[in-house]
Amino acid sequence: GAVVSQHPSWVICKSGTSVKIECRSLDFQATTMFWYRQFPKQSLMLMATSNEGSKATYEQGVEKDKFLINHASLTLSTLTVTSAHPEDSSFYICSASALPPAHTQYFGPGTRLTVL
Amino acid sequence: GQNIDQPTEMTATEGAIVQINCTYQTSGFNGLFWYQQHAGEAPTFLSYNVLDGLEEKGRFSSFLSRSKGYSYLLLKELQMKDSASYLCAVRDAYNFNKFYFGSGTKLNVKP
Repeated sequence: GAVVSQHPSWVICKSGTSVKIECRSLDFQATTMFWYRQFPKQSLMLMATSNEGSKATYEQGVEKDKFLINHASLTLSTLTVTSAHPEDSSFYICSASALPPAHTQYFGPGTRLTVL
Repeated sequence: GQNIDQPTEMTATEGAIVQINCTYQTSGFNGLFWYQQHAGEAPTFLSYNVLDGLEEKGRFSSFLSRSKGYSYLLLKELQMKDSASYLCAVRDAYNFNKFYFGSGTKLNVKP
């Protein structure tokens, strides 16, 4: 099956610092990747859609200057949380679209971010 | 808007059968997906329905009725490792890449 990796798996940082999270599709090319965040006991909330070689599309209410997304290649997308604050602490999950016909999304293992 | 409803939590016994329901009201529809998510981990794909009827994959089956906006995930011969959250997701009709997730059903399997 399609494998998506994420790094780091967890990170603790001080308030005001920036954190970069990488998402890689290991055995397939993903022209589109997705970034979600999930608070405890809640479902996934789509933050943005990342398209290779173009600007990301952000969901309503998500600050694009705070959550910088870069999709430089067909196998790598990065999410940078800039000037992180404690309220940014969450579980961040990326996913990538597989080939047709199902067009399902395969998820990375997630990154637990804790901002002190 | 998009509205996807699932029960919050269910409990079942090891070896039994459990059915997790999902109802949806969306402006468009192009497939319904079920994912399993263990605590602290990312979701894993279980099944996909786009036409009405039952799809069977081993111990797991998923059913869809588009006219009723209804789906269920059926888990047979429950095992302790099936304790997890089960997420129902509907794909947008106009954007293949956009999924709307329900809040998930936490399944507790007891011995």
